Amino acid sequence: GENVEQHPSTLSVQEGDSAVIKCTYSDSASNYFPWYKQELGKRPQLIIDIRSNVGEKKDQRIAVTLNKTAKHFSLHITETQPEDSAVYFCAAPPGSYGKLTFGQGTILTVHP
Amino acid sequence: NAGVMQNPRHLVRRRGQEARLRCSPMKGHSHVYWYRQLPEEGLKFMVYLQKENIIDESGMPKERFSAEFPKEGPSILRIQQVVRGDSAAYFCASSPTGAPNEKLFFGSGTQLSVL
Repeated sequence: GENVEQHPSTLSVQEGDSAVIKCTYSDSASNYFPWYKQELGKRPQLIIDIRSNVGEKKDQRIAVTLNKTAKHFSLHITETQPEDSAVYFCAAPPGSYGKLTFGQGTILTVHP
Repeated sequence: NAGVMQNPRHLVRRRGQEARLRCSPMKGHSHVYWYRQLPEEGLKFMVYLQKENIIDESGMPKERFSAEFPKEGPSILRIQQVVRGDSAAYFCASSPTGAPNEKLFFGSGTQLSVL
């Protein structure tokens, strides 16, 4: 099955700095890579996703890059704000249907 | 579109009781996934269901846990004879067709506490 590794487990930055979270996956057939943000006590919310036919996707201050050869993908948050503080999860789908395997999560803290 | 609806939001059970968690997928979605999240941990896949069928239950414990998604009504995750280790947040997610490149939309979860 799919194995997804996420690093770092915690990340602390100053407001305005950039944050980068990295994930590796094992199943070379995976072709869809979403990122979820989860605030304390709330549901995971999809913030950005990328499909394997592109190498990078941006949405305002958030971007995701994908390297299929190396089987890793990264989340980039620029100009971080305190409200970006949350747990971020990467995921990848093993097999032929939409079940997702999640990374272990990264606790991002943005200090004002 | 009301989104994925889960109830109850909080459920308290004593050891040995049964817990029933409900999930109504988004309108037009016929594929449901259940995940468990232990405190300060990630989301672990439990079971994937389509209407009236269990497609993949590889993440679900063999004993005490069962899931269904009937033709009419919500998907149900049932935990019999709960133990303290079952205390966790249980999330369900839905997607339209179950294809591997579809977005999954999550419900607000049910926080199960076993006393």
